[in-house]
Amino acid sequence: QSALTQPPSASGSPGQSVTISCTGTSSDVGGYNYVSWYQHHPGKAPKVIIFEVSKRPSGVPDRFSGSKSGNTASLTVSGLQAEDEADYFCSSYGGNTLYVFGTGTKVTVL
Amino acid sequence: QVQLVQSGAELQKPGASVKVSCKASGYTFSSYDINWVRQATGQGLESMGWMNPNSGDTGYGQKFQGRVTMTRNTSINTAYMELSSLRSEDTAVYYCARAMRGSFAFDLWGQGTMVTVSS
Repeated sequence: QSALTQPPSASGSPGQSVTISCTGTSSDVGGYNYVSWYQHHPGKAPKVIIFEVSKRPSGVPDRFSGSKSGNTASLTVSGLQAEDEADYFCSSYGGNTLYVFGTGTKVTVL
Repeated sequence: QVQLVQSGAELQKPGASVKVSCKASGYTFSSYDINWVRQATGQGLESMGWMNPNSGDTGYGQKFQGRVTMTRNTSINTAYMELSSLRSEDTAVYYCARAMRGSFAFDLWGQGTMVTVSS
């Protein structure tokens, strides 16, 4: 399976919103409501911020939201804060108990 | 503290094997599948496969069939991923990740293990 397509970078000023897309196929993103998003600060372990398209784990601020339309999922970070600067990647269940991951997006807070 | 702690960086020669460990603490090890994911420098993440620590059942990605073996030692709450016939393209950071129960997402990750394959 091919990687999910994300924009390599996104940016916004503090307080603004940024939206990251994650495009797959009907065999992964479009076929299952199992899209998740992860925040990854280099050198640290990734952290799940959205699972099952739009659910937030306990402790994740509601500034983070997810959605999906067809084969494309999206992550929106509202009210950008300095600590949101990180790499973000999406993932989708791809069948046969395996996963497909996105190419990753570096978010910069200007 | 709920965490997964991986073994340290490895330098291996082409054709050799590498075995990475992933020690779980703070939760019931046998209750959650462990997945292995890798990321080559400048590349996206790649799913390698999964293991059920309770049964030992495994599932491997087609790309890794025949070269990867995932095992566990439940007495020390540790999962292992062994990759054989290493080539330069296997140079990557390898992560173990705990799968959420009842869903398909990872709620706990190890810190990553850098494996370098070079002569």
